[in-house]
Amino acid sequence: LAKTTQPISMDSYEGQEVNITCSHNNIATNDYITWYQQFPSQGPRFIIQGYKTKVTNEVASLFIPADRKSSTLSLPRVSLSDTAVYYCLVVPWPGSSASKIIFGSGTRLSIRP
Amino acid sequence: NAGVTQTPKFRVLKTGQSMTLLCAQDMNHEYMYWYRQDPGMGLRLIHYSVGEGTTAKGEVPDGYNVSRLKKQNFLLGLESAAPSQTSVYFCASRALALGAGVYNEQFFGPGTRLTVL
Repeated sequence: LAKTTQPISMDSYEGQEVNITCSHNNIATNDYITWYQQFPSQGPRFIIQGYKTKVTNEVASLFIPADRKSSTLSLPRVSLSDTAVYYCLVVPWPGSSASKIIFGSGTRLSIRP
Repeated sequence: NAGVTQTPKFRVLKTGQSMTLLCAQDMNHEYMYWYRQDPGMGLRLIHYSVGEGTTAKGEVPDGYNVSRLKKQNFLLGLESAAPSQTSVYFCASRALALGAGVYNEQFFGPGTRLTVL
């Protein structure tokens, strides 16, 4: 399973765009890149996933360069409610034998007024 | 639908006691997972299951046992609790992928906060 590396913590202010970069140098051809968000005292929840290029949904955008060795989660115009821990995961292609899903330490994002 | 539920929400044990944590899901998901999360840390995978009657070890399986006798339930057992097992335990489930390019996210329960004295 590919290992991921992301910053331990980040700070920003309300209304700013926040970009969290994740490194996954050993990503395999069939791996997806996935991001989860976790609020205090809650289980993680899925935000976005992608394979290559750019993916956007109502919550965030995910940018993946051609070599797929890194990815960037972009949160537009953050608010105080975006304060959470963000996890970058590399998940094997669905249906493969590798059903393990491993979470790393995540990035603790703090938004200030 | 209730999604993923966990029982109990809180528990305090003494060292050496045993207990079972119950995870139930009503989404007919094939995959189920148990994670533990220590204060200020990320989630670590304890055990997981890819279907009824199957279980597999995760990153930190020692001191825990699991069973998946019914598709909707995944039980996590501590035979002899130790203070090092004080943690928040999260259960998750995930649907079986039906085809290429289909990603099925994990759905998490609310967690069980366990303290071992």
